[in-house]
Amino acid sequence: DIQMTQSPSTLSASVGDRVTITCRASQSVSIWLAWYQQHSGKAPKLLIYQASSLENGVPSRFSGSGSGTEFTLTISSLQPDDFATYYCQQYDNYPLTFGGGTKVEIK
Amino acid sequence: EVQLVESGGGLVQPGGSLRLSCAASGYTVSVYWMGWVRQAPGKGLEWVANINQGGREKNYVDSVKGRFTISRDDATDSLHLQMNSLRAEDTAVYYCVRDRCCVGNSKGWHDYWGQGTLVTVSS
Repeated sequence: DIQMTQSPSTLSASVGDRVTITCRASQSVSIWLAWYQQHSGKAPKLLIYQASSLENGVPSRFSGSGSGTEFTLTISSLQPDDFATYYCQQYDNYPLTFGGGTKVEIK
Repeated sequence: EVQLVESGGGLVQPGGSLRLSCAASGYTVSVYWMGWVRQAPGKGLEWVANINQGGREKNYVDSVKGRFTISRDDATDSLHLQMNSLRAEDTAVYYCVRDRCCVGNSKGWHDYWGQGTLVTVSS
């Protein structure tokens, strides 16, 4: 199985900060990587697919980059609604696997 | 508007069975892959299973193979997950997902999620 490792596991930041979350795969997943946002008690929401494609309706302050084994999710200017947990997921091979999550907290 | 509504969760004893259902609406259900993702209390996300259009291809995470069966009924726009021989570690919120599939050799990613149904396996 492909292991996905996110860092950091928790991140403290302020409104307006630039935030970067890293996701590493145990083997190459090409560009077959998605990012999801989950608010506490809610269902996850798709942000990014194909490593860098922004899902319709997602604010442009979110961006994704990377390929192979290393990927990043960047929030250019953190907004109050962005305090949530973020997960990466590879969809290159079965079983599909998620990273452990990064919780973005208010500093 | 795409909607996915899960039902069928509840409390079940270890070794018992439960059948989850997902009612899909707002799009042409038969042309999309569908699947299930779960989340144990306070834990991260775990992909469970998916099924292709027409239901001929099914994929499962190893921990549920031989115990869970995914199926779909395009006549009623519904997805199901039959869960047998349930274990305490199957306790989780189960999300129904629509998969956008595929580009090149990739599998699908989850573009819509239901609100989830809680399954608790305990004596």
